[in-house]
Order: sequence, then structure tokens, then C-alpha cells
Amino acid sequence: TQLLEQSPQFLSIQEGENLTVYCNSSSVFSSLQWYRQEPGEGPVLLVTVVTGGEVKKLKRLTFQFGDARKDSSLHITAAQPGDTGLYLCAGASGGSNYKLTFGKGTLLTVNP
Amino acid sequence: DTEVTQTPKHLVMGMTNKKSLKCEQHMGHRAMYWYKQKAKKPPELMFVYSYEKLSINESVPSRFSPECPNSSLLNLHLHALQPEDSALYLCASSPRPGLISGANVLTFGAGSRLTVL
Repeated sequence: TQLLEQSPQFLSIQEGENLTVYCNSSSVFSSLQWYRQEPGEGPVLLVTVVTGGEVKKLKRLTFQFGDARKDSSLHITAAQPGDTGLYLCAGASGGSNYKLTFGKGTLLTVNP
Repeated sequence: DTEVTQTPKHLVMGMTNKKSLKCEQHMGHRAMYWYKQKAKKPPELMFVYSYEKLSINESVPSRFSPECPNSSLLNLHLHALQPEDSALYLCASSPRPGLISGANVLTFGAGSRLTVL
């Protein structure tokens, strides 16, 4: 069974602060997705990383895929209240083609 | 159209009721999925349809019955549910079955919030 350990599970910060969310596994993934989900809504895809060592930027969000494709991080610069939500990482591997292995999520609250 | 539409948004049902959740996409996607999500937990895969055929059933109890009438529609029929089945039910689709990758990603609907009394 593949597991994705996501940390921290909860994070409450003030507007303007920086933060990093981590997603780690002992398994290799062919790709890893990051989603953001607001209460009562479905997850919205933020980014997909596929190449080891890849870095992608989406405005104030920076995503990195580890060289060995076993881990990923999401860094948010100067967080804003609108960044509040549940951040989920999800990995896909060739062994379970149809399945995404989800991390447990990071519930982020950015206070004004 | 780049959306997955789910109805109803909210559903309250008794344990003896029969109801259905509906999911629709017009993106030409040939893989569709049902996920169950409890509060503050990640989504859990229930079923996968590939080219309108059920390809994966994650040992879901038979009180949940999926149906894929055509390539755009996915239903989840509910019968004799238990209170612990209360959750957000998410539908998703992807361009094709198989490896989830940069070119073949899931698009989720907004979900149907189910409460079983």
C-alpha cells in the first residue's frame, strides 16, 4: 500500500506570513498533484509535477517535486485570507493506474 | 465546457429511502469516478468507469449502486443507507482511463452533501 504523509495537518497563520506544506512517501510516484479545496466544494487542481527536481510557480505558490519523485512541497509566500482551505497532495503511480493516493491534507487558515 | 456538474448539492434521506446522485460532464472525458469524502479527510475512491464500463469497485457496499448510462453521465443510486454513509460525494472525470499524469488529470465536481438520518 502506498502512503503519502502530509504535514502539517493543521496550520493557522497571520496574513503576510510564509508557509510550507510537505508531502512525503517511501514510494516513487510518476506524477504528483496538488489540490485546494474550500468547505462544501470539490478539490480544485493547482498543479501537476511529473519530473524529479521540477519546480513550478503559480503566483505566490511554489511547488517542488523531489529528485527521487517520492516527495513534494508547496510553499506559499505572503499568505492571504483567500488562501484558506484544505490543501491535498495526491500521487499517481504506474502500479495503480486509475488511483490517486491522497495525503491526509493540510487545513490552512490565514487570519487577517 | 470545462466543468463536472453534480446534483443535487444537498440531499437528506432516511435509511429506508431510495435516492440517486447525478454527475454530468461534457468535456468528452472517457473515465469517470465516484469518491466519498468525510469532513476534513481526503477523498476515498469508490468506483471508476472506463469507456462507460465499471472498471474498479473499491469493495463498496451494495447499498451504493453506480450506473453510467452514457459517456457524459454518471449516477450513484442509494438504497438502505446508514447514518455513517453521510459524507460529501464527489464525482470526477479524466480525459482517458489509465495513468493519471500531467496530460490526464482529474477534474472534480463540487460534490453532493449527503445526510442520512
